[in-house]
Amino acid sequence: GEDVEQSLFLSVREGDSSVINCTYTDSSSTYLYWYKQEPGAGLQLLTYIFSNMDMKQDQRLTVLLNKKDKHLSLRIADTQTGDSAIYFCAEDLISGGYNKLIFGAGTRLAVHP
Amino acid sequence: KAGVTQTPRYLIKTRGQQVTLSCSPISGHRSVSWYQQTPGQGLQFLFEYFSETQRNKGNFPGRFSGRQFSNSRSEMNVSTLELGDSALYLCASIFQGARGNTEAFFGQGTRLTVV
Repeated sequence: GEDVEQSLFLSVREGDSSVINCTYTDSSSTYLYWYKQEPGAGLQLLTYIFSNMDMKQDQRLTVLLNKKDKHLSLRIADTQTGDSAIYFCAEDLISGGYNKLIFGAGTRLAVHP
Repeated sequence: KAGVTQTPRYLIKTRGQQVTLSCSPISGHRSVSWYQQTPGQGLQFLFEYFSETQRNKGNFPGRFSGRQFSNSRSEMNVSTLELGDSALYLCASIFQGARGNTEAFFGQGTRLTVV
């Protein structure tokens, strides 16, 4: 089936680490993605990970992938107020022979002083 | 290079009317996907077009339709509008990366309000 699940809200203190979690259903997904949506804007790609990797680090962002459990997480180190946004997890499915991006409902991250 | 352009940005319609939304993808991109974003359901896939052909469709009623033109611009249409159609409609300009990853570039969306 096509279902990507995320918790809806996360609140953290400025300077702390944020961890946003996601579970997906299709074990054949080749790539998994994290997108960020700021107020009034479309989605922007933050990072992605290939399914044969366990971890990917990109500056303050760390993506962890547990393929056995179909669990993906995004860790943001030293979270800043500018990180307040909605974060979407997405999987890349093959449907009808073509790629289709399926997104979770999004996790709203609120950063407070 | 110009980004993804969606028009109009905001729209208010009454129940029963129909609406057409437009999306111009990034120059050179031939694939466009449409998504509906609502607070309760998150981001849901509507359909995807490539070179004027619909390749994939989500689980939406037949009132939702789309098309793509030879210049890759795409339109989506919603007929007989219902209150529940109020949402942010996002268009993504899609490119298959060299590694096989899907690169999606989103427009700012069209905010549709049905009253």
